[in-house]
Formats: sequence, C-alpha cells, structure tokens
Amino acid sequence: GDSVTQMEGPVTLSEEACLTINCTYTATGYPSLFWYVQYPGEGLQLLLKATKADDKGSNKGFEATYRKETTSFHLEKGSVQVSDSAVYFCALRTVTGANSKLTFGKGITLSVRP
Amino acid sequence: DGGITQSPKYLFRKEGQNVTLSCEQNLNHDAMYWYRQDPGQGLRLIYYSQIVNDFQKGDIAEGYSVSREKKESFPLTVTSAQKNPTAFYLCASSIDTGTDTQYFGPGTRLTVL
Repeated sequence: GDSVTQMEGPVTLSEEACLTINCTYTATGYPSLFWYVQYPGEGLQLLLKATKADDKGSNKGFEATYRKETTSFHLEKGSVQVSDSAVYFCALRTVTGANSKLTFGKGITLSVRP
Repeated sequence: DGGITQSPKYLFRKEGQNVTLSCEQNLNHDAMYWYRQDPGQGLRLIYYSQIVNDFQKGDIAEGYSVSREKKESFPLTVTSAQKNPTAFYLCASSIDTGTDTQYFGPGTRLTVL
C-alpha cells in the first residue's frame, strides 16, 4: 500500500540555520505530494504541494521538489526562524475512481533556538 | 471568515461513556473527514463523507460512528467500544474527495479517564 517515510526526529536548530527534512514515499500511480505544518495546539495547515514530477512547491521560504526517480519530496529552508518551530508532516494523495486518500508520514518536530 | 470549527478544544470523559465531537464548516465543501493523531504517529483516517447522507469507513473506523445530516456538519461519536480513545482528533474538509487540498480544523484533544 501507499506509505510515507519521514526522517526521525526531533530536530533542533539555531535561528538562521539551514533546514532539510527528508521524506520518501511508496505509491502506485502518480501521487500528489504535500507538506503540512502543525503549530503547537493547532490543526494542520497546508505548507506547500507538488502535483507532478519535477514540480517545486514553495511557501514562506520553504521549498520541496517532487523527485520521481528517488521517490522523494524533501523539505528545505535556507534560514529558519524561531516561528518555524512546529511539527511537519509529509503526505501523499492517491486517487482511486472518484475518491482520493491522503497518507501521512509520522511527522517531525522542529525546534528553533534564538 | 470561512473555516472549520471543532468544539470543544479539550474534552474529558470517563471510561465506558460515549462522547460526540463536533465539526462544522462554512466553506461550502462537499467532502469532510475525521482523523486521529497519536504522539509520534501520522494522522490516520477514521471516516470520510463525500456528500450529505453518505459516509465511508477509513482505516481505523472500529469503535467510532459518524453522521452527515447537513452539509456543514460532520460529528464524530467515540463509542465505548473504542479500546484506546485518548487522542487528538482532527476534522478536515475539501471541495470534494477528488480535490488535492484538505483544510483542517484546530482539533479536539480527548482524554478518557
């Protein structure tokens, strides 16, 4: 079945450090790929997405490129801020008939120190 | 402001009691979803609904029930048959089930004592 694997966490960085969070997936067909962010005590927010191979999603300084050859969608940011501290989930969406299903990774907690 | 509301934010119940979690959306979305989140785990789909008066089981439906009598509302009942109900519950909606993006509510943390 479909699955998403995220690197083990948590991750602690100093402000202005470079961030990479790894995400790989297994899916049949051609899934859409997402990164969601969850700030403390809140629900999930869509951070960025990519719907086909080689697409790059970007938002708030974060980027991720859909790599079909390596089945990866790593999240990157050149300079993190304290306000980026949150849990990050990689997810994929597959479509079967008229229905679609989101499959999430386990999430990784990012803490950014001032 | 359009969005999804879940209430209450925190809920405590005694073991053996049923409890209903509320989810309301004013986004005019046809599809709604319920997920369960446990520490260190991703979200797992409990139930989803494509349209009013229709709903389907997700990956972990046992011990849960839902209804969809109105487009805006998709309440989740955690029954006494759910063996480990303490968790964070998230409701989401999308324009339809074929659409990429799901919008999430703020969640309800249920603790069973």
